[in-house]
Amino acid sequence: ETGVTQTPRHLVMGMTNKKSLKCEQHLGHNAMYWYKQSAKKPLELMFVYSLEERVENNSVPSRFSPECPNSSHLFLHLHTLQPEDSALYLCASSPRWTVASVETQYFGPGTRLLVL
Amino acid sequence: AQSVAQPEDQVNVAEGNPLTVKCTYSVSGNPYLFWYVQYPNRGLQFLLKYITGDNLVKGSYGFEAEFNKSQTSFHLKKPSALVSDSALYFCAVRVQTGANNLFFGTGTRLTVIP
Repeated sequence: ETGVTQTPRHLVMGMTNKKSLKCEQHLGHNAMYWYKQSAKKPLELMFVYSLEERVENNSVPSRFSPECPNSSHLFLHLHTLQPEDSALYLCASSPRWTVASVETQYFGPGTRLLVL
Repeated sequence: AQSVAQPEDQVNVAEGNPLTVKCTYSVSGNPYLFWYVQYPNRGLQFLLKYITGDNLVKGSYGFEAEFNKSQTSFHLKKPSALVSDSALYFCAVRVQTGANNLFFGTGTRLTVIP
């Protein structure tokens, strides 16, 4: 185990539903990340939070809404998704998010999302 | 802009044979380079990283990678493959002067045949 947990592990939702993905890290890290993993595509960095502030938002549609209430928890709120949003959503954390840091990112197992 | 290319979607190798998974990168500056492995139904696990110094980096599970600046490559290698090495392998890069954002390749599926 990497110390990063994600729930649920699998999720099926309709395009009109609202759901949330949860990530929790038990490593004392200050930076957390959301990635989207689609088949035969590079992992796409979606959002980065550093010390509970959003520091990166890589042109992600507004139907994805992140929330970081504290340094241990990260949520991804989903609403009115499209079938092409079906993917594996990975959460990661690292000790810091700064130019000076080069620490490893630790990944959770992911949530497999299917949008019908 | 940063990018990573993994030219092979699939690599097959016989158990006991050496394996190589290829990775080339493009960055505007000096790179930090990483390899991750993903087993079925699991998240990515860190294998090794190149920061500076010796071009040959040793990592977990007997893997190693060689940084080649002239060829902008960072190929993953193992002298003797195990069936349990079968997984999806991702190469990633970030610039030394950039924030801790990783740019990943598309992944290479390694299958070790008994």
